[in-house]
Amino acid sequence: DAGITQSPRHKVTETGTPVTLRCHQTENHRYMYWYRQDPGHGLRLIHYSYGVKDTDKGEVSDGYSVSRSKTEDFLLTLESATSSQTSVYFCAIRTGTNEKLFFGSGTQLSVL
Amino acid sequence: SQQGEEDPQALSIQEGENATMNCSYKTSINNLQWYRQNSGRGLVHLILIRSNEREKHSGRLRVTLDTSKKSSSLLITASRAADTASYFCATVPSKGATNKLIFGTGTLLAVQP
Repeated sequence: DAGITQSPRHKVTETGTPVTLRCHQTENHRYMYWYRQDPGHGLRLIHYSYGVKDTDKGEVSDGYSVSRSKTEDFLLTLESATSSQTSVYFCAIRTGTNEKLFFGSGTQLSVL
Repeated sequence: SQQGEEDPQALSIQEGENATMNCSYKTSINNLQWYRQNSGRGLVHLILIRSNEREKHSGRLRVTLDTSKKSSSLLITASRAADTASYFCATVPSKGATNKLIFGTGTLLAVQP
């Protein structure tokens, strides 16, 4: 599993509240990714990081922000959660240039 | 928009049969990858094929890549009930956002015992 831990595993929150999801890795890989998975849409890239304090947007970044203050942690924040952000969120790390991803177990987020 | 689109969206076969899934993409790529996802779990990497390769094998998996048609296929031979899962293709662009891995919408495979 390449030492990836996502927390929390499940979260229920109310519309308008801030939410932060955490991805932690133990192997000091440079690249980390946040995806969301929804029925009929597959996985869509939200944000990714290519180093400490280096991040870039993905396809569906509106409403999300990220931070990477140290190599092992990549945080995804929903500043003001909306019902459309109800989804399963996956963190992934990449082990080398143009190589494969290792995924965490996911966070099921429900925004009521 | 999604880089990869899988076809079919769902596939149901009997154990022992072969399963073929197809993936089409839109721009030039560095490599194409296939992943598997069991229900409620994270994705697991299956196989990677580079743009200069045409075919690759791994156990019961066979992947082909046709860059002129911007398409790939995943063949699972002699399928087993344990192969029941969703399968996704993903591409790494050769230009522009080469750090991004873009996934398709997936094929749900059901293998009946």
